[in-house]
Amino acid sequence: AQRVTQPEKLLSVFKGAPVELKCNYSYSGSPELFWYVQYSRQRLQLLLRHISRESIKGFTADLNKGETSFHLKKPFAQEEDSAMYYCALMGLKTNAGKSTFGDGTTLTVKP
Amino acid sequence: DAGVIQSPRHEVTEMGQEVTLRCKPISGHNSLFWYRQTMMRGLELLIYFNNNVPIDDSGMPEDRFSAKMPNASFSTLKIQPSEPRDSAVYFCASSSRDHYNEQFFGPGTRLTVL
Repeated sequence: AQRVTQPEKLLSVFKGAPVELKCNYSYSGSPELFWYVQYSRQRLQLLLRHISRESIKGFTADLNKGETSFHLKKPFAQEEDSAMYYCALMGLKTNAGKSTFGDGTTLTVKP
Repeated sequence: DAGVIQSPRHEVTEMGQEVTLRCKPISGHNSLFWYRQTMMRGLELLIYFNNNVPIDDSGMPEDRFSAKMPNASFSTLKIQPSEPRDSAVYFCASSSRDHYNEQFFGPGTRLTVL
């Protein structure tokens, strides 16, 4: 079975502070991991995926297979980063593109 | 492409009424997903289709919920009869292997059952 755990439902930081949104997963094979973001009154959209190893809007996420984690980090949070963030896992054995989503973390960046 | 299209955007109905939500996936995408989002339970996968065939409907909460995908460009999620606890935002998403299985979400339908 595949499972994604986001232990923090709510996270609040001040503008300019570092932020880390935690994501842990369980999956017996090689997973593909994603972070999706949902800004207020907007649709969910992909923020980044681990295979591309890119930085989007200053966010990065490293897949740590030893710790089965895929934490999302940004060194200096901005107010516009306030949103709901979902970590998602897709098992590479899956042939239909199904992803398992975590419960989400609501990030609030205070001025 | 306009992205994933959902209708209606908002639906207010009374308990016991039938509700039908509609989704048009991105052209060329072969997988389609229906999700429900609530404050209490986050984002729940209800059902997903691959090449118009339902693959996994284990997330459908009850027999009151049903989903169809008669062709590659259209899907419906029906609730009959609706109940107040069905109030939520319902998202449709589509994906394709050609886009590394990134899921493209629609704007959602906000359902309120009174």
